Amino acid sequence: QKEVEQDPGPLSVPEGAIVSLNCTYSNSAFQYFMWYRQYSRKGPELLMYTYSSGNKEDGRFTAQVDKSSKYISLFIRDSQPSDSATYLCAMSADNFNKFYFGSGTKLNVKP
Amino acid sequence: ETGVTQSPTHLIKTRGQQVTLRCSSQSGHNTVSWYQQALGQGPQFIFQYYREEENGRGNFPPRFSGLQFPNYSSELNVNALELDDSALYLCASSLYGGADTQYFGPGTRLTVL
Repeated sequence: QKEVEQDPGPLSVPEGAIVSLNCTYSNSAFQYFMWYRQYSRKGPELLMYTYSSGNKEDGRFTAQVDKSSKYISLFIRDSQPSDSATYLCAMSADNFNKFYFGSGTKLNVKP
Repeated sequence: ETGVTQSPTHLIKTRGQQVTLRCSSQSGHNTVSWYQQALGQGPQFIFQYYREEENGRGNFPPRFSGLQFPNYSSELNVNALELDDSALYLCASSLYGGADTQYFGPGTRLTVL
């Protein structure tokens, strides 16, 4: 079983839709949770960084962590075509060196 | 764009050869991590260097080795290349390894024939 599971998609939505992206994990020691966006032929870019359970909001993006269910989510409101990319979740037990990534969900926002 | 640069952008090698990939860290960052990203997969942690010492390693064999230099630039060396080594190799620089300060470079696409 992989440490982090993520639905690969692709997920196709119309512009303006609310997008929900999810990951599950098996290691209860994970405390630091990240969401990255990766455009084609680019390196991942950090979108959201959270510690432990709860919600965090930044503009159109909201990250949720439910440690009891080992489940994290990223919501994108008012999605734009420029949001079309692969979204990767990542997590770590101690916020240093070893981060575990999901396989990524490819999102396509249609104009 | 981040301040992390990688070279070369892409290269092609044959099985059994050796390869060296290079990474220049973001200014002020003292830690560099290397990741392997196979097509359609998420990045997998190879190792991390802090102040020129290896500071953690993922599940990769010893033929994957690295160096960090006093200016915090870094190299990833892979010996005895195998077909499965074909991937995007990403380096990420950070301050002390924290994810909240970690910036990725654009990657080097390695193809092994």
